Amino acid sequence: KNEVEQSPQNLTAQEGEFITINCSYSVGISALHWLQQHPGGGIVSLFMLSSGKKKHGRLIATINIQEKHSSLHITASHPRDSAVYICAGVGSNYQLIWGAGTKLIIKP
Amino acid sequence: EPEVTQTPSHQVTQMGQEVILRCVPISNHLYFYWYRQILGQKVEFLVSFYNNEISEKSEIFDDQFSVERPDGSNFTLKIRSTKLEDSAMYFCALLAGRQFFGPGTRLTVL
Repeated sequence: KNEVEQSPQNLTAQEGEFITINCSYSVGISALHWLQQHPGGGIVSLFMLSSGKKKHGRLIATINIQEKHSSLHITASHPRDSAVYICAGVGSNYQLIWGAGTKLIIKP
Repeated sequence: EPEVTQTPSHQVTQMGQEVILRCVPISNHLYFYWYRQILGQKVEFLVSFYNNEISEKSEIFDDQFSVERPDGSNFTLKIRSTKLEDSAMYFCALLAGRQFFGPGTRLTVL
């Protein structure tokens, strides 16, 4: 069964700190999305990656195919980064298999 | 970036009633998805729809659910006889390299 596990469940940090969120996934998942969900509920895909590393602004996502592990990093975190971050595996019909999410709070 | 709208933004219905949730992609796409998120829980896959046919569905997507693309643009999710446990946020998404999500419809079943 395809599964995606995320940690930590909750993360509170001070503004400026380097943030890491981890994701492990099972066999049968060909790629991973990292997504952001804001309190209003809207979901935005940040990255989709199947190998290596991607960077967008202060966000960096890495994936290790052999270890079936991915990380999302936020550099110089800011209160506006506060949101739920979700990793989701890509299944055989490109449907997403969702992790439980990490609730991130950045305090000023 | 592809844009997706969903209507209504919030639907309140009585248990046993039928609801239709609509998804309108602004441009032509072939792959669509419906997901739901019960309050406080993780997002769950319901169904994928490719080239006007269901390509995969989850265990949640039972006979009470149906999807169609009636006019080639709107993409609908119908729940025939709503139950209390159908109360959730429903998201549609389209695939264009990666997935792009609509803002969601909050369904409340009383």
